[in-house]
Amino acid sequence: GDSVTQTEGLVTLTKGLPVMLNCTYQTTYSPFLFWYVQHLNEAPKLLLKSSTDNKRTEHQGFYATLHKSSSSFHLQKSSVQLSDSALYFCALRHNAGAKLTFGGGTRLTVRP
Amino acid sequence: EAAVTQSPRNKVTVTGGNVTLSCRQTNSHNYMYWYRQDTGHGLRLIHYSYGAGNLQIGDVPDGYKATRTTQEDFFLLLELASPSQTSLYFCATAGDNQAPLFGEGTRLSVL
Repeated sequence: GDSVTQTEGLVTLTKGLPVMLNCTYQTTYSPFLFWYVQHLNEAPKLLLKSSTDNKRTEHQGFYATLHKSSSSFHLQKSSVQLSDSALYFCALRHNAGAKLTFGGGTRLTVRP
Repeated sequence: EAAVTQSPRNKVTVTGGNVTLSCRQTNSHNYMYWYRQDTGHGLRLIHYSYGAGNLQIGDVPDGYKATRTTQEDFFLLLELASPSQTSLYFCATAGDNQAPLFGEGTRLSVL
């Protein structure tokens, strides 16, 4: 079946530094990848969704590129802010079905 | 505006109790999902549906039933609630090839 792996459970950074949150996936179908952000006591909200292979997508200063060759969709930002502190989930869906599979999540904490 | 409304937002029940969580959408989306969120496990799929009367089993279905009565309404049923089902439950909806939209969640405590 499908699976999504986020290797970092917890990332702590100082404001202004760059960040990369890892996401790799496994599926036998053509994938759609998403990044969701969840702030404390809120619902997960869509941050980014993948485009075509090797094309970068951006939103709110975050960006990610789907690389089918390495089954990856890593999330990056060049300069994190205090407000970026949240839980980040990578998720996989494919057009052969409705199922949406989430990774375990990465908690990002940004210090002043 | 597209919306996913869950009710109740908070629920406390006792072991062995009967609980129904409701989800209603105004998105006209075909797909509806129920997830549970627990620290250390992320979001785990319980059941999902791609239309009224349809039900698909997710990854952690044991102890849960679900029913999609209409395009808008998707219910999660716990007929004999257990403390292990204490969790935060999210409903989500999605159109074809779209990113799912989440409701605000229902916090369930089973004592």
